[in-house]
Amino acid sequence: AQTVTQSQPEMSVQEAETVTLSCTYDTSESDYYLFWYKQPPSRQMILVIRQEAYKQQNATENRFSVNFQKAAKSFSLKISDSQLGDAAMYFCAYRSARANSKLTFGKGITLSVRP
Amino acid sequence: DAGITQSPRHKVTETGTPVTLRCHQTENHRYMYWYRQDPGHGLRLIHYSYGVKDTDKGEVSDGYSVSRSKTEDFLLTLESATSSQTSVYFCAISSGPIYNEQFFGPGTRLTVL
Repeated sequence: AQTVTQSQPEMSVQEAETVTLSCTYDTSESDYYLFWYKQPPSRQMILVIRQEAYKQQNATENRFSVNFQKAAKSFSLKISDSQLGDAAMYFCAYRSARANSKLTFGKGITLSVRP
Repeated sequence: DAGITQSPRHKVTETGTPVTLRCHQTENHRYMYWYRQDPGHGLRLIHYSYGVKDTDKGEVSDGYSVSRSKTEDFLLTLESATSSQTSVYFCAISSGPIYNEQFFGPGTRLTVL
């Protein structure tokens, strides 16, 4: 079974600084997808970024980028130029590329942004 | 934003009563999911559906049942609610196994007294 581990329950960053959120996963498959979701206090789950395992290039979405290390089964999220609106809970998630596969989430990390 | 609504958004009920949560989508997506979110556990899959009348269990399905009679609606039923089912419930939709992103509804906070 696949597992996703987010070992840091909380992190804090100064506004305008850069922060990296860690995620590791365990799988025996070679084709899969990885995601970072953001959950602000409104509780809405928002997709931040996605990475396909077959792509060597790290995904980037504006201030958000990932460091995908397939051999190490590591998938960290880097937030540059942190903003107050980035304060939220962040979840890492894994999904196999097989049909009817399901998302497996980590336990999440709470990010606070200091003004 | 994906068109997903959940009803009710908040509910307080008593142990032993039946509860049904509704997820409605306007995207015509084939896949629908029910998750629960609890502190220290992240999101855990309860049940999912890959088509009308096609459903399957997730990792925490005990005490829950689902039904999907129409593409747009996915119902989650707690036949006899227990305090351990106090949680925030999220519905999600996905267009299929190829396009793997899931879009989430706003959540339902359920309290079982």
